[in-house]
Amino acid sequence: DARVTQTPRHKVTEMGQEVTMRCQPILGHNTVFWYRQTMMQGLELLAYFRNRAPLDDSGMPKDRFSAEMPDATLATLKIQPSEPRDSAVYFCASGLVRSPLSYEQYFGPGTRLTVT
Amino acid sequence: GDSVTQMEGPVTLSEEAFLTINCTYTATGYPSLFWYVQYPGEGLQLLLKATKADDKGSNKGFEATYRKETTSFHLEKGSVQVSDSAVYFCALSDRGRDDKIIFGKGTRLHILP
Repeated sequence: DARVTQTPRHKVTEMGQEVTMRCQPILGHNTVFWYRQTMMQGLELLAYFRNRAPLDDSGMPKDRFSAEMPDATLATLKIQPSEPRDSAVYFCASGLVRSPLSYEQYFGPGTRLTVT
Repeated sequence: GDSVTQMEGPVTLSEEAFLTINCTYTATGYPSLFWYVQYPGEGLQLLLKATKADDKGSNKGFEATYRKETTSFHLEKGSVQVSDSAVYFCALSDRGRDDKIIFGKGTRLHILP
């Protein structure tokens, strides 16, 4: 049963520290997405990749967030420096574009980040 | 731009009640429509989908019909269970434009035993 995996599942850090979240997409998927979920804002798209190339990161605060795909099996989201307002659950999702009519995303379990 | 509007929650029902969660969309193209479900402490899971007008998606007793004339994709279930308590997201994908999926804000559903 193929799944998206994310590490760590929980992270507590102090303001100003660097945070790195990792995602392993489903093998063979060619799109990867990073989302942030909070009670106030709901689900927000931060960035996404197709075939490892970044296509859209307009949802990310550029001064502190960065997203990369060093290879097809790993996507990373970094926050440096972290701030209390970054506290949220961060989801990674992957998908395979087979055709315009056959496309869906599979979500990982999320990383719950708390910045104190 | 494309958008999804779904009814605000929380929705509280008794077990075995009939469920409807309304969803309408705005899209410039011809989107595919989805319902995702999020159980506590988990990521979103695809519940059902429909890719063209009048298609009915169904799964686990849930159904939704793609209504192009009313731009709607309402989620229904005839008899809910306590285990259906979760947050439900309506979503669309206009694959002809890009790979993004546009999500609604989610509707929290509580089922009382």
